[in-house]
Amino acid sequence: EAQVTQNPRYLITVTGKKLTVTCSQNMNHEYMSWYRQDPGLGLRQIYYSMNVEVTDKGDVPEGYKVSRKEKRNFPLILESPSPNQTSLYFCASSLYGGGYEQYFGPGTRLTVT
Amino acid sequence: SQQGEEDPQALSIQEGENATMNCSYKTSINNLQWYRQNSGRGLVHLILIRSNEREKHSGRLRVTLDTSKKSSSLLITASRAADTASYFCATDGWGNEKLTFGTGTRLTIIP
Repeated sequence: EAQVTQNPRYLITVTGKKLTVTCSQNMNHEYMSWYRQDPGLGLRQIYYSMNVEVTDKGDVPEGYKVSRKEKRNFPLILESPSPNQTSLYFCASSLYGGGYEQYFGPGTRLTVT
Repeated sequence: SQQGEEDPQALSIQEGENATMNCSYKTSINNLQWYRQNSGRGLVHLILIRSNEREKHSGRLRVTLDTSKKSSSLLITASRAADTASYFCATDGWGNEKLTFGTGTRLTIIP
């Protein structure tokens, strides 16, 4: 089954404790991206990647890191999480870029206390 | 920055009626897409319309695009209870693979 998976689905952590949210797709997509969703603000893109070893900032990259060492994986790293990073996070992938149908993962609900 | 703004923010209609929601954006686009989201789950792609297209249909969905007004509308005909969800537009620009989503319209279908 073609899908985007994210882990963990739920995470509660404390300020400053480094964490990684994994994202993997099995569709051989070139493009992968991360979003955060907050009430009243819709989805905002954090980072995107056009291919292996190619990443670019989205609209809200501050406080986040990403890497794309393999085509299928695109982990999101919060090196020192803060409470304002409490949010619902989505990973997505598409065949070639932002102008193609995006396939979304199920989401990761992160709470930073 | 928020490229897309949906209007209205919330909409409630009776089952069987048509639902129309609008999206306005600020800068020139390459494509515009509509997505549906059920209760905090992952978004599902509905339809994509390119900047050189004016109208597109998919089943009960009709999307229009007016680049001169920088706006798009999504029409859902003969609504069903299962259409209850949030709907988002998303745009990408020429030579820019960044994808920008709007704030969404919350649609409630009353049985």
